[in-house]
Amino acid sequence: KAGVTQTPRYLIKTRGQQVTLSCSPISGHRSVSWYQQTPGQGLQFLFEYFSETQRNKGNFPGRFSGRQFSNSRSEMNVSTLELGDSALYLCASSSQGLDTQYFGPGTRLTVL
Amino acid sequence: DQQVKQNSPSLSVQEGRISILNCDYTNSMFDYFLWYKKYPAEGPTFLISISSIKDKNEDGRFTVFLNKSAKHLSLHIVPSQPGDSAVYFCAAITTGGADGLTFGKGTHLIIQP
Repeated sequence: KAGVTQTPRYLIKTRGQQVTLSCSPISGHRSVSWYQQTPGQGLQFLFEYFSETQRNKGNFPGRFSGRQFSNSRSEMNVSTLELGDSALYLCASSSQGLDTQYFGPGTRLTVL
Repeated sequence: DQQVKQNSPSLSVQEGRISILNCDYTNSMFDYFLWYKKYPAEGPTFLISISSIKDKNEDGRFTVFLNKSAKHLSLHIVPSQPGDSAVYFCAAITTGGADGLTFGKGTHLIIQP
């Protein structure tokens, strides 16, 4: 089975712009979660989508949003980028929910 | 407040010896615990997990121990191999909860030849 894929792998944006990241889960997995990894805060949960609905949400501002399509692929959008949004954004998929999750390689976002 | 703590940022172990990575948690609602391994420029790779109804789970060279009363878990790797050099993250979750995985800050394991 192919693993979780994320595109793009690297991205450079400037403050105020918006960005969209994409994630394709493992085939058959219906749950997709997004995490932000920074040196200071470690790995932090952003949100989870299951069957095209946001099911759970972490403690991030509304500038961070997402969606899931009928084929379980998910996108994450960050609007009005800030310097502090520079991070590795990881997507994880699981078959049912927030238990054993399998991670993609991540998208490295740099905000200048 | 960090709910999952890995107090050792790094650990150096000789090849062939046992590596023991520790993790403490504060949230008594956590009932499922996982260990992930991460190489640079890659996402975390799932290693092993344990449910709170067990106190030990073994998978090859990897064994996870859970002490619920102490809110402590540990990962044992025996014998340690050079390919085990990576950052190891402990994670916890309340199944059926809404908060996703809560991760520790990681321990960088270095296996010395």
